[in-house]
Amino acid sequence: EAQVTQNPRYLITVTGKKLTVTCSQNMNHEYMSWYRQDPGLGLRQIYYSMNVEVTDKGDVPEGYKVSRKEKRNFPLILESPSPNQTSLYFCASSKTENTGELFFGEGSRLTVL
Amino acid sequence: GQSLEQPSEVTAVEGAIVQINCTYQTSGFYGLSWYQQHDGGAPTFLSYNALDGLEETGRFSSFLSRSDSYGYLLLQELQMKDSASYFCAVQVDNYGQNFVFGPGTRLSVLP
Repeated sequence: EAQVTQNPRYLITVTGKKLTVTCSQNMNHEYMSWYRQDPGLGLRQIYYSMNVEVTDKGDVPEGYKVSRKEKRNFPLILESPSPNQTSLYFCASSKTENTGELFFGEGSRLTVL
Repeated sequence: GQSLEQPSEVTAVEGAIVQINCTYQTSGFYGLSWYQQHDGGAPTFLSYNALDGLEETGRFSSFLSRSDSYGYLLLQELQMKDSASYFCAVQVDNYGQNFVFGPGTRLSVLP
């Protein structure tokens, strides 16, 4: 089954404790990206990657890091989480062709105390 | 800056037709997508318009007017399961990965 898998789905952590949210896709997509979703703001892009070892900042990259060492994986790293990073996070992937379609993971709800 | 506007809420009854509008102001434009998101779920793709006009997919249709920076999603024969949030998203680069999303429209379908 074609899918984007994120882990963990739910996480409560404390300020300053480094964490990583993993994302893996099995569709051989070149493009992957991370979004955060907050009430009333829609989805905002954090980082995106056009291929292995190629990453770039989205609209809200502050406080986040990413890496793309393998085509299928695109982890999101919060080096020192803060309460304003409490949010619902989605990983997405897409094909090279412009189809307008992003394939989203199920989401990771993160709470930073 | 980049901004997309959608109504925050829409309510309709089963069997009716509803139109959700989206206006945008972005630095680049390569297409307009629509997504559906049920509570607690992931956004799922509905449609994409790169050119002006109407695209029809079953009960859902999407329209784009690039000269007016405007699009809409039309849902026909509404069903209870259509109750969800709907997001428009502008593709702002030609690589197919950079999208700016609207704030979302919550659709409630009443019996």
